[in-house]
Amino acid sequence: QSALTQPASVSGSPGQSITISCTGTSSDVGGYNYVSWYQQHPGKAPKLMIYDVSNRPSGVSNRFSGSKSGNTASLTISGLQAEDEADYYCSSYTSSSTVFGTGTKVTVL
Amino acid sequence: EVQLVESGGGLVKPGGSLRLSCAASGFTFSSYSMNWVRQAPGKGLEWVSSISSSSSYIYYADSVKGRFTISRDNAKNSLYLQMNSLRAEDTAVYYCARVRIAVAARGAFDIWGQGTMVTVSS
Repeated sequence: QSALTQPASVSGSPGQSITISCTGTSSDVGGYNYVSWYQQHPGKAPKLMIYDVSNRPSGVSNRFSGSKSGNTASLTISGLQAEDEADYYCSSYTSSSTVFGTGTKVTVL
Repeated sequence: EVQLVESGGGLVKPGGSLRLSCAASGFTFSSYSMNWVRQAPGKGLEWVSSISSSSSYIYYADSVKGRFTISRDNAKNSLYLQMNSLRAEDTAVYYCARVRIAVAARGAFDIWGQGTMVTVSS
């Protein structure tokens, strides 16, 4: 149950697009179309942003999009806004558990 | 309003025990699988355990297997985590989280509680 690998930090200017990668194995990310992404602001509970690789829950901005290729999933934030500054975590099914990514701090310059 | 509220956290000595509770409201608790997720201070999220709606399917992370027990009482709309043989590395904020789809055994976590802090220290 090793954590999925994410870049420690990603930054961008307001209005730009950024992409966060999430790399696993064929036993997790590559084996299931059940990748989720969560946003967490400091001191707050995580918030679901993307489920099942590319689906947005009701109320989540369409500036957030998800995709997957092989063992790597990606979260793209377009039109970056100050409120997007937060930590982001991916997660995936495994055969008998759920595994989270190492987390990425997004900074809006 | 759909809500999860954790309680039961606190300071405990290494080797001690603690029982966390998660009270659900605003939805049909008995239809949803539930999970515990923890976050050590300054660290990332770590999945701990999951339980299906009828308690038929239960899973644990290797790091807590044999020490923690997840359970639920659908009549009381409550989820529990019994934590025994606690270690310093169990120090974390513990969140309960709901699986997005009713009746599904597993899935994305769409509703989270505010978390309860567990500190294991002598």
